[in-house]
Amino acid sequence: DSGVTQTPKHLITATGQRVTLRCSPRSGDLSVYWYQQSLDQGLQFLIQYYNGEERAKGNILERFSAQQFPDLHSELNLSSLELGDSALYFCASSAQQGIITGELFFGEGSRLTVL
Amino acid sequence: QQQVKQSPQSLIVQKGGISIINCAYENTAFDYFPWYQQFPGKGPALLIAIRPDVSEKKEGRFTISFNKSAKQFSLHIMDSQPGDSATYFCAASISTNAGKSTFGDGTTLTVKP
Repeated sequence: DSGVTQTPKHLITATGQRVTLRCSPRSGDLSVYWYQQSLDQGLQFLIQYYNGEERAKGNILERFSAQQFPDLHSELNLSSLELGDSALYFCASSAQQGIITGELFFGEGSRLTVL
Repeated sequence: QQQVKQSPQSLIVQKGGISIINCAYENTAFDYFPWYQQFPGKGPALLIAIRPDVSEKKEGRFTISFNKSAKQFSLHIMDSQPGDSATYFCAASISTNAGKSTFGDGTTLTVKP
């Protein structure tokens, strides 16, 4: 158990809809990262938050947004969903910005299916 | 575009054999190279990592070999066991924000008993 909790584990929705994925990082971790894993592909970095502030952005679509709350949990909002958004969405956390070891602790992911 | 290319896509090895997975990167600014292991239904977990100041790092049956000039690194799993059957991802990042990693596409390893 990595200590990172993601909900929901599975989500099925229709095109055009909006969903929110939630992540609780390991106790004490200030950094939260969101990654997308599409079928047969590696993980694509979406966005990072550190102590409530956005710190790095990857190939995140404009239809997607995220935030980190004062209690350090994070939410990834996906709107105007398309079939191609179907994927596993992972949240990861690290103690700092990952400067020292770079070790990420991943949750078990939220599997999104868009029909 | 920053990329990490991983091969092979899948690998079948007999129990006791050596599993070798290769990765190549393009961005010379990368200075942290982790390998992650992912079992079905689970998130990736850090297996072993290396920085470019060393050419090899060994932890138990797992060894990373690093070739800075060729911009390549590889994972060797010695005495492969059925329990090693998983998907392995290499990754690369810049240590000022090592959590922002560029991942390879993964290698599905099957170790046959």
